[in-house]
Amino acid sequence: DTEVTQTPKHLVMGMTNKKSLKCEQHMGHRAMYWYKQKAKKPPELMFVYSYEKLSINESVPSRFSPECPNSSLLNLHLHALQPEDSALYLCASSRDGPPYNEQFFGPGTRLTVL
Amino acid sequence: AQSVTQLGSHVSVSEGALVLLRCNYSSSVPPYLFWYVQYPNQGLQLLLKYTSAATLVKGINGFEAEFKKSETSFHLTKPSAHMSDAAEYFCAVSEGLTGGGNKLTFGTGTQLKVEL
Repeated sequence: DTEVTQTPKHLVMGMTNKKSLKCEQHMGHRAMYWYKQKAKKPPELMFVYSYEKLSINESVPSRFSPECPNSSLLNLHLHALQPEDSALYLCASSRDGPPYNEQFFGPGTRLTVL
Repeated sequence: AQSVTQLGSHVSVSEGALVLLRCNYSSSVPPYLFWYVQYPNQGLQLLLKYTSAATLVKGINGFEAEFKKSETSFHLTKPSAHMSDAAEYFCAVSEGLTGGGNKLTFGTGTQLKVEL
């Protein structure tokens, strides 16, 4: 199984809502990632988890709250988002270790904030 | 910090023609370089990667890339374009993180259009 799954595929939320994005992998990878991708732009790294611990937060606003409950799951909790947060949110996973380990990406969640 | 630059945000080729997508890197250490492809409304799929084992790297779907240290380049090529190759292509460089995991830094992307 070389698949990273993400739910939901699409999400529309108001600025006062609380929602969560979910990501799952069963490749035994111990590093997991959240990226944000705006239209016609490359993905931008948001968070990295290694062995269920937060490795890096790329100065992401606190209205985005990541969680890694176990080695297979990664969540992104959303609260009080702004319309400019509308984007494709991509999850990825990789073996931890040397930088030549490729990252496997999920299909993404298309988020629209009204 | 390491970075990559992709020259040409849009490339158009005829079906059956050579595909050449350009990527130059900036790194003070031997880089780990990747090419990913993204089809509309999908995630990213790995085409190939350079890990210093060989300068000519073959990937999926007939793509290959050559690492040239003297030119700091890692251009992506395919001898004969197919309509199904139309997509966004990203070059990326990877760095290890102190706390674990790796950071991928992407180029700005090249949109490949294939015409009949």
